[in-house]
Amino acid sequence: AQSVAQPEDQVNVAEGNPLTVKCTYSVSGNPYLFWYVQYPNRGLQFLLKYITGDNLVKGSYGFEAEFNKSQTSFHLKKPSALVSDSALYFCAVRDGGGNKLVFGAGTILRVKS
Amino acid sequence: EAEVAQSPRYKITEKSQAVAFWCDPISGHATLYWYRQILGQGPELLVQFQDESVVDDSQLPKDRFSAERLKGVDSTLKIQPAELGDSAMYLCASSSGRDPAQETQYFGPGTRLLVL
Repeated sequence: AQSVAQPEDQVNVAEGNPLTVKCTYSVSGNPYLFWYVQYPNRGLQFLLKYITGDNLVKGSYGFEAEFNKSQTSFHLKKPSALVSDSALYFCAVRDGGGNKLVFGAGTILRVKS
Repeated sequence: EAEVAQSPRYKITEKSQAVAFWCDPISGHATLYWYRQILGQGPELLVQFQDESVVDDSQLPKDRFSAERLKGVDSTLKIQPAELGDSAMYLCASSSGRDPAQETQYFGPGTRLLVL
């Protein structure tokens, strides 16, 4: 069965600095990887996904993620953080066998001005 | 931009009562999902529909939960009777259904349930 680990409960970064939110996964076969963001009392908003191809995926709001097969990681990055990026971020994985999308526990990102 | 609609946004009920949540997916989306998100955790799939058929309900507590999508469009999730442990956010998502493994799921705003 597939699984996702987000090793940091919270990430703190100063506005303007680069940010990284970590995600590692376990799946049999080829992984399909997703990042979502959730603001308080709201649903999840899609940021980006990796299906195949270029290991660097660009998504919404200036976010990008790098797929690393050897390290089974899919870390979310942004070159310059904004206070408005403060939210809860979820990594999710699905295998090609049609199994369900499995989410990590989430990482709170706090960007301070 | 098309969105997934859910109602109500908030629901407070007493244990042993019945509750129902409604979801209207993005127009044309064949696949519909219901998730439960407990505070401090990621969403967990309860049930997945492809058109009006259930594809996966392995994590749905069938003694008290039921879900239907009679005409393959909107869907209702019901809990009867509600228990204290059911307090959570219930999220609905939809996707086009052409390739469920790869395609993006789009989420609604959720229904926050509090059982007293």
